[in-house]
Order: sequence, then structure tokens, then C-alpha cells
Amino acid sequence: DQQVKQNSPSLSVQEGRISILNCDYTNSMFDYFLWYKKYPAEGPTFLISISSIKDKNEDGRFTVFLNKSAKHLSLHIVPSQPGDSAVYFCAASQTGANNLFFGTGTRLTVIP
Amino acid sequence: DVKVTQSSRYLVKRTGEKVFLECVQDMDHENMFWYRQDPGLGLRLIYFSYDVKMKEKGDIPEGYSVSREKKERFSLILESASTNQTSMYLCASTTPWGSSNQPQHFGDGTRLSIL
Repeated sequence: DQQVKQNSPSLSVQEGRISILNCDYTNSMFDYFLWYKKYPAEGPTFLISISSIKDKNEDGRFTVFLNKSAKHLSLHIVPSQPGDSAVYFCAASQTGANNLFFGTGTRLTVIP
Repeated sequence: DVKVTQSSRYLVKRTGEKVFLECVQDMDHENMFWYRQDPGLGLRLIYFSYDVKMKEKGDIPEGYSVSREKKERFSLILESASTNQTSMYLCASTTPWGSSNQPQHFGDGTRLSIL
């Protein structure tokens, strides 16, 4: 059973606009959430994370929002750039556990 | 920077062969992981190891085994390769959870085709 879900397989956005990628989870014990970015033929690279004690974390153009009551997180990219075109994976974990649970990914295409 | 190196980027093997995928990390990380990535399924954990000679099954261990004889090296073994094991295989490493959670660092992947 998929504990982390990304319901949108793909998203297209114009360059300069905001990209919003969504992620839902079912396990209320998860307390650490990450976003990874993956280009074709490369491994995923860590982008940004958030702990459950926060509801927002920002790093440059990337902001992650966490809504614990809704078990939902989102990644905002502003402004979107063509180089942001990639597959984005949401992942979640529980403190003390060693493994991550990944969503199925969302392919973002930023149109110049 | 953390470096996770997978020995092969592309590999073609035949059904029934024993296949070894190698992964080496240079950051003295205790934890190492093997995932496979398939379209529409995301990353699924096959096995992970939290110490030398220690291993734990992930979500899809059937048909696979692992070996961790040295801290920096984690090998994935397909005992008798089958066509449904054609996939992208990703290795990752990290430190154990502590006061500061650390993300997993991934290698570039091995695209394995079983004919």
C-alpha cells in the first residue's frame, strides 16, 4: 500500500510562473519529509526537506509547505525555469527509522 | 560532497544469470540502500544495511540478496535474473537518524536489462 502519494504524474508550467507539486501521505507517524529532483539517466538529488515541527521551509526559489492535519505537503518553485524540468519525488520518514518512503513522482516541464 | 558510485551505468544480462551490482560511497556512512525505479511506481526499497554484515529486507526483496563486507561497499545480487527485474537500480547512503536528519545521497543508477 502506497503510504506516500503523488497524484499528478505530470505538470506543465510556463517559464517565470509558479510550479506547485503536491504530495499526500497516510502514515501519521511520518515526521520528516523531503523532495528529490531527478534528471533522466541520473540519480535523484536532494532538494529540500521539512520537519513536522515546521509548516514551511524555504531555500531560494524552492519552498515546501506542510499541512499535518491534512497529511499534505507541497513544493512551490518560483519563478520556474526550464532547467527545473525533471521528475520530482516526495519522500517521508519517521525519526528513528532508517528508510524513506517515496511517492511515484511528478514530471515537471517548464516551457520557455 | 558525498559521492555514491555505482559500478555500471548500463548492463545487459540474460535470463538465469547471476548478476552483481556494486555500490561504493566515500563518506563513511553507516546506512546504505538499494532501490529500483519503475515508471508509475516510484522508488521501491529492495534491501538496506545499517552496518557491516547487517541487512534488512525492504518492500520488494524477493529474487534479490545483498552483501556488505566493508562499510563503504554494498552489493546487490540477482540470484537468477528474470525479465521482470529489468529496471533502473539506485544505490543510496546516509548517516543514521540522530539529532539532525540527513537526506539520502544517491548514485547515478544502473539501468539493467534482462533478455
